[in-house]
Amino acid sequence: AQSVTQLDSHVSVSEGTPVLLRCNYSSSYSPSLFWYVQHPNKGLQLLLKYTSAATLVKGINGFEAEFKKSETSFHLTKPSAHMSDAAEYFCVVSPLKAAGNKLTFGGGTRVLVKP
Amino acid sequence: DTGVSQDPRHKITKRGQNVTFRCDPISEHNRLYWYRQTLGQGPEFLTYFQNEAQLEKSRLLSDRFSAERPKGSFSTLEIQRTEQGDSAMYLCASSPKGQEYNEQFFGPGTRLTVL
Repeated sequence: AQSVTQLDSHVSVSEGTPVLLRCNYSSSYSPSLFWYVQHPNKGLQLLLKYTSAATLVKGINGFEAEFKKSETSFHLTKPSAHMSDAAEYFCVVSPLKAAGNKLTFGGGTRVLVKP
Repeated sequence: DTGVSQDPRHKITKRGQNVTFRCDPISEHNRLYWYRQTLGQGPEFLTYFQNEAQLEKSRLLSDRFSAERPKGSFSTLEIQRTEQGDSAMYLCASSPKGQEYNEQFFGPGTRLTVL
């Protein structure tokens, strides 16, 4: 069994300030973990993925995430928010090396970026 | 554009009517997934195909729902006797065979409104 908890349903930041989106997971298997972003009226886009190589993962648009097994966390960060980062972000877990299995999504965090 | 496509993008129907959605995956991808996303929630897995075989179905997929992928290419999702609770975004995703982890590529979704 696997589950994901995103600890904040909404995050509001000012443009140019850091962004932190928190995610905790639970998995019976060694997990692969993803962050997806969903802009209004657009499909889900992969930001980054953890697949048991490096624990610090760099993604697109300046985002990165750190896998901490002891804390079962996979928090997403960006040093400086841009207006275009306003969107909904989903933390996702799937069993590692089990390609074909379903993704389990968290409830999402909506990010608002203030000018 | 060679991404996942879905048709229609929006569907409004009356309660009790049948609806059918289509998904065209990325051409070399042999795995295809359907998810449902209700307002304010993360997507939830419905079903998964490998080539033409339907390998997994969620308990969310009641007997009013049926999915097919007859030639291992496009897929259809039919909902019979729609109910207001079926109103949601229906997302399709695909992934290639042979990948070690479970990265999935999503289409833009079909938004269903049941009146």
